[in-house]
Amino acid sequence: GNSVTQMEGPVTLSEEAFLTINCTYTATGYPSLFWYVQYPGEGLQLLLKATKADDKGSNKGFEATYRKETTSFHLEKGSVQVSDSAVYFCALNAGGTSYGKLTFGQGTILTVHP
Amino acid sequence: EAGVTQFPSHSVIEKGQTVTLRCDPISGHDNLYWYRRVMGKEIKFLLHFVKESKQDESGMPNNRFLAERTGGTYSTLKVQPAELEDSGVYFCASSPQAGAAYEQYFGPGTRLTVT
Repeated sequence: GNSVTQMEGPVTLSEEAFLTINCTYTATGYPSLFWYVQYPGEGLQLLLKATKADDKGSNKGFEATYRKETTSFHLEKGSVQVSDSAVYFCALNAGGTSYGKLTFGQGTILTVHP
Repeated sequence: EAGVTQFPSHSVIEKGQTVTLRCDPISGHDNLYWYRRVMGKEIKFLLHFVKESKQDESGMPNNRFLAERTGGTYSTLKVQPAELEDSGVYFCASSPQAGAAYEQYFGPGTRLTVT
């Protein structure tokens, strides 16, 4: 079946540090890949997505590139801020008969200190 | 535009009791999804409604869980009788269209604690 594996957290960084959160996936076919973020007290919201190989999703300074050869979709940001503290979820949608189903990784807690 | 809302935000019940969670999707969204996250693990899909029909209920764990979406608007998820392992956060999401490339809009979740 389909699965997503994220690097284990929590991740603690100082403001302006470089961020990488690793995400790899297993899926049949050609899934779409997503990063969702959950800020404290809120629901998940889409951060960025990529729907085909070599696509780069970007938003709010975050980037991730869909790498089919390594089945990866690592999240990066060059300079994190305290306001980036949140839980980050990598997810995929493989389409097919379960075309509404998102498969999530376990989430990575990011804490950014001033 | 109001987002996805869920009620209650937190529920504490005893094992064997019944709990009903409610989700109000974004107005006009035909697609509604339920997910849950147990004890810091991954968020798992439960089911997908298209309007009032169950498109995919492959993630429903057992027959103690019953989801409905009468009239194709809000949805309820009933757990009867609740067990300890049902504790977790239940998320609802909605979208105007469904498919591999489409974003889902999530509510804040209902935290269910079964004691």
